[in-house]
Amino acid sequence: GENVEQHPSTLSVQEGDSAVIKCTYSDSASNYFPWYKQELGKGPQLIIDIRSNVGEKKDQRIAVTLNKTAKHFSLHITETQPEDSAVYFCAAPREGGGGADGLTFGKGTHLIIQP
Amino acid sequence: KAGVTQTPRYLIKTRGQQVTLSCSPISGHRSVSWYQQTPGQGLQFLFEYFSETQRNKGNFPGRFSGRQFSNSRSEMNVSTLELGDSALYLCASSVGGSGNEKLFFGSGTQLSVL
Repeated sequence: GENVEQHPSTLSVQEGDSAVIKCTYSDSASNYFPWYKQELGKGPQLIIDIRSNVGEKKDQRIAVTLNKTAKHFSLHITETQPEDSAVYFCAAPREGGGGADGLTFGKGTHLIIQP
Repeated sequence: KAGVTQTPRYLIKTRGQQVTLSCSPISGHRSVSWYQQTPGQGLQFLFEYFSETQRNKGNFPGRFSGRQFSNSRSEMNVSTLELGDSALYLCASSVGGSGNEKLFFGSGTQLSVL
């Protein structure tokens, strides 16, 4: 099955600066890489995802990059704001490839935006 | 459109008891997945249901079971509760047509086993 490693576990940045969270995966067949944001007392919410046929995807201040050769993908948040403070999770298909076989999640990154 | 609804929000049980958690997916979504979230193990896949059939199961003991009804609502059951079952149980729904779809999570049921 898939194994996902996420770093760092905690990230503190000044408001307005950029934040980068990195994940590596083990199964070269994996083709879908979502990122979720979880705020206190809530379930995870999908913020952006990328499929293996593209190398980068942007949505306003959020971007995700994918390096299939190195088997890693990263979340980039620019111009950070206080509401970006949350725990962020990366994920990949549990058994690689397609199929509704569930997701393997990274351990999460607690992002703290300092005023 | 209403989001994913999980009930109850909090539960306190004692060892050896059993518990049933409920999940109502987003209208039109036919797939329901369950995840267990703990500080130590993070988010772990329990199982996924589509059209009342379990399509996939994670690495959890048989004490963890689930089912899905014809209206796509789902329940999960944990029998003979252990202290280690204390966790946030999250339900997620998706359209369910194929794999690798966007998951929409509920706020979870926080289970405490004493």
